[in-house]
Amino acid sequence: QQQVKQSPQSLIVQKGGISIINCAYENTAFDYFPWYQQFPGKGPALLIAIRPDVSEKKEGRFTISFNKSAKQFSLHIMDSQPGDSATYFCAASRSEKLVFGKGTKLTVNP
Amino acid sequence: NAGVTQTPKFQVLKTGQSMTLQCAQDMNHEYMSWYRQDPGMGLRLIHYSVGAGITDQGEVPNGYNVSRSTTEDFPLRLLSAAPSQTSVYFCASSYAQLVSANEQFFGPGTRLTVL
Repeated sequence: QQQVKQSPQSLIVQKGGISIINCAYENTAFDYFPWYQQFPGKGPALLIAIRPDVSEKKEGRFTISFNKSAKQFSLHIMDSQPGDSATYFCAASRSEKLVFGKGTKLTVNP
Repeated sequence: NAGVTQTPKFQVLKTGQSMTLQCAQDMNHEYMSWYRQDPGMGLRLIHYSVGAGITDQGEVPNGYNVSRSTTEDFPLRLLSAAPSQTSVYFCASSYAQLVSANEQFFGPGTRLTVL
């Protein structure tokens, strides 16, 4: 049973465009929703995170939108740059375990 | 600080061989964990530890053993390697026992191939 569903699997965006990655979860006990960024050959690194009592969190060009009633959250990358090309993972956790989505490979063309 | 270090970076095993993947962190983190990453599958939790002497199973624990004798080290043991264990393995750590409270810091990974 996949607890966190992520879409799309891959995304191609032109430089300056908006990248949007979506995730959905089933377990209403989840209380922390981070996004991780992974470059080829590297380990994932925390990009931005949100708790369910907040509907939106923005850090620079990166924004998380959270819809608690729909059990969905999304990552928006504004003014996408070639350096943003990476794999992005959404995740959800409660207590001691972190559950990841399957990842989205983002390619930003110059 | 070196952060989270993993050794080796690459390893090739034959079916049935055993080996230990090493993980160490120098940040005095209580929580440590092991994930495996397979194409199209994301990261899946194998085992985790909330402190020295305490370990528990994650989503895919079969075929793997762990122990945590010190705060710094969290080795992952494959007792009898199988081709299905071919994967990239990541170790991660965080300050608090509750992952929902803190950022997970990941190591650079170990790429394991089982023939």
